[in-house]
Amino acid sequence: GAVVSQHPSRVICKSGTSVKIECRSLDFQATTMFWYRQFPKQSLMLMATSNEGSKATYEQGVEKDKFLINHASLTLSTLTVTSAHPEDSSFYICSVRTLIPNEQFFGPGTRLTVL
Amino acid sequence: RKEVEQDPGPFNVPEGATVAFNCTYSNSASQSFFWYRQDCRKEPKLLMSVYSSGNEDGRFTAQLNRASQYISLLIRDSKLSDSATYLCVVNGRRSNYQLIWGAGTKLIIKP
Repeated sequence: GAVVSQHPSRVICKSGTSVKIECRSLDFQATTMFWYRQFPKQSLMLMATSNEGSKATYEQGVEKDKFLINHASLTLSTLTVTSAHPEDSSFYICSVRTLIPNEQFFGPGTRLTVL
Repeated sequence: RKEVEQDPGPFNVPEGATVAFNCTYSNSASQSFFWYRQDCRKEPKLLMSVYSSGNEDGRFTAQLNRASQYISLLIRDSKLSDSATYLCVVNGRRSNYQLIWGAGTKLIIKP
């Protein structure tokens, strides 16, 4: 399987600031990474698909100018929440998907709290 | 109607009992089905894929009913450590690469 790390694991910030979250695939070259968000007691919601060397593909309703994604290498994708507001407080999780086995591997998640 | 629906629970079950979850999906063309487990404030982890013929992994049995568009998970001889939220996952309409997640069923095993 693939090992995925995220940093930071937890962040608390003031409203209006920007927060960058890193997702690293430690042992797998990922041309594609996925960014999810999960609010309490709700399902994971795919925010965007991060493509190495090209623009990310955003899901409907996700503002691309607010959630900036950069996938500069096969092992690193970053998600920047710009001008964060309290409603952006959530659990952000990245993942990579391998074809063999057909499985998705998740990072440990980043818990964002915006005051 | 949600694309993937699960009973949110919680299911409160005594240790050693058998528990079953169902999940329904709306896309009849779906080809990939999974059960993931998520512990509180942790990332999801794959429990098992679900194959057309049904499959078993130790105390866990997964089954697929394409005609009725539901998948099930059976846990036998439940352990305290089985307490978690179980997420049903189905590939989406756009591609096999896209995964649609159920909101999860919370399971609490009591001693």
